[in-house]
Amino acid sequence: EVQLLESGGGLAQPGGSLRLSCAASGLSLSTYAMSWVRQAPGKGLEWVSVISGSGGSTYYADSVKGRFTVSRDNSKNTLYLQMHSLRVEDTAVYYCAKDGLSGNDYSYYFDYWGQGTLVTVSS
Amino acid sequence: DIVMTQSPDSLAVSLGERATINCKSSQSVLYNSNNKNYLAWYQQKPGQPPKMLIYWASTRESGVPDRFSGSGSGTDFTLTISSLQAEDVAVYYCQQYYSTLITFGGGTKVEIK
Repeated sequence: EVQLLESGGGLAQPGGSLRLSCAASGLSLSTYAMSWVRQAPGKGLEWVSVISGSGGSTYYADSVKGRFTVSRDNSKNTLYLQMHSLRVEDTAVYYCAKDGLSGNDYSYYFDYWGQGTLVTVSS
Repeated sequence: DIVMTQSPDSLAVSLGERATINCKSSQSVLYNSNNKNYLAWYQQKPGQPPKMLIYWASTRESGVPDRFSGSGSGTDFTLTISSLQAEDVAVYYCQQYYSTLITFGGGTKVEIK
């Protein structure tokens, strides 16, 4: 059974940093592109970033470009999101999501999602 | 970026009746070389992550009840719940993956009338 488990969320001050992790079980992450998707309280879904299976390709939403960095450690079957220069508007539940197709450099549709980790940016 | 616009924002449907949700993209998400529409639908219940229902605009994910169906092409798409059940109360989102910069619709909340 595929499981994705996010961690690392919490309270951060504006301008601060956090690193999120997404540990996968039941599959080899290296086969799939993986994305981060966030959802502000009471709002809709916003795609944040994607990384290819190899880690060689990454893409970011304009809202986080230059501040967030996605990476992966396939030996640990874990995905990361390093977040710097956090803003109040980054407050959200952050989900990691697995691509529904294998072997691509970017995400298509998402067939598995983690339960999410809440990031709150506030002074 | 491709903008995805859903309508209505919310709808209330009686049990057993049909629910129809629309999704319009600001540019075509039909890839001519393979004739596939790069569009997916998700269901999200309160306190849960989204669950994929439909991909390639009309292919139902394994395990999804056949009362859920997707249709449309190019820029206009529809998710239909043919006979609404109590467990279908949720917010539904469309998503395009034609562009590497993925975008979602704003969501449609489905309730029981």
